[in-house]
Parts: sequence; C-alpha cells; structure tokens
Amino acid sequence: LAKTTQPISMDSYEGQEVNITCSHNNIATNDYITWYQQFPSQGPRFIIQGYKTKVTNEVASLFIPADRKSSTLSLPRVSLSDTAVYYCLVGVEISSGSARQLTFGSGTQLTVLP
Amino acid sequence: AAGVIQSPRHLIKEKRETATLKCYPIPRHDTVYWYQQGPGQDPQFLISFYEKMQSDKGSIPDRFSAQQFSDYHSELNMSSLELGDSALYFCASSSPGTPLGHEQFFGPGTRLTVL
Repeated sequence: LAKTTQPISMDSYEGQEVNITCSHNNIATNDYITWYQQFPSQGPRFIIQGYKTKVTNEVASLFIPADRKSSTLSLPRVSLSDTAVYYCLVGVEISSGSARQLTFGSGTQLTVLP
Repeated sequence: AAGVIQSPRHLIKEKRETATLKCYPIPRHDTVYWYQQGPGQDPQFLISFYEKMQSDKGSIPDRFSAQQFSDYHSELNMSSLELGDSALYFCASSSPGTPLGHEQFFGPGTRLTVL
C-alpha cells in the first residue's frame, strides 16, 4: 500500500503564506481530498476538501492538479496559533481489490515563528 | 454546538484484558469512523459504519470489533489487549449525504494505556 506522504516539518513566520503538499499516487478515482489540522492530544479538525482544480474557503485554499496524485494546502498569512500538525486524508485504492482505505498522510508539523 | 462525545476519556488496562470504547456522534450524523493514533504517529483508520452497517474496513486487528447501534452511537470492543494497543482512539462522525471519508468531525479521543 503506497504511503500518502507529506514533508515532515515546515517553519514559517507570522504573516507569510504557507503551502503544504501531499503526495497520494494511489488515490481512489471518486474520492475527495480533505485536509485536517491537529493540535497535541486533540482530535483532527477539518480545514478544507476538494476533488479537482482549486477550492477556497475562509481559512485556506486547496490546489489539486489534473492527475490528482497530489494536493497543496495553502494557508494565507499564518499566525502563531496556526502552529499544528497538518494532515491530508484520502481514500487509497488497495491492490487486494477491496473498495478503498481511508489513509491519512504522514503529517506536516508547521511551526509559525514570531 | 454539540460535538462528538467519546467515553471514557482515559482508560488503563492490563495486558490480555478487554476494553470497550464508546462514541456518540453529533446528532443526526449517520456515519461513524474509528481511528487509532500511536504516540507521534499519524491516525490509522480502523473501521467505519454508515446507517448501522460496516462501510469501510481499515487496519483493524482481528482482536477488535465494532458496531453501530440504532441510535447511531458506536462501540469499539478490544480484546486480548497488547502493549502496542496503547494509543489515542478517535471517533469521528459525518452528516447524511456527506460522501464517505469527507468532512469528518472528530471527538476528543480516548487515551488507552495498556500496562
């Protein structure tokens, strides 16, 4: 089962734009891509979801290329409170033939510096 | 607004004991997901239920079982506990009409420690 990979960590300064990419080569055909934010010892919190091209909401944008094998979460003007782990979540097709398995990415620890 | 409720929040068990974790989804949510997150690890999908039927199965060990009841709450039953089962167990729910896997609302988790 191919892993869904992300950079382990990223540092940024307050007010900057941050882009976090997730690679998901085995994404299931009909699955959306969702992104979550997680603080220590808390459950993940939904940020944004998309199927293809670009999606924007009040907190983030999501860019998905035509082949859908990756996605990029864009956080505009980050603040100190955005320091957290960010995960993508996709359904991955499994070689065994069963439907697909929900798979979190490896997670990216974003640290926002003053 | 009501959130996902999980109980207990903390649980300590000995090896080879059994444990039952409970999840109460957001009212009117019909889909429940279970995840296991070890220390410093990403969450691993275990199993999901839609309208009381199992919908997707992930890396849930054979020692574990789960079900969703008529009131949509769900229970994760864990038997023959091993040290490696120590983890945070999250439950998430999603609303009717949400495609499987999308916009999930997570509970605060149950921290299971196996001694």
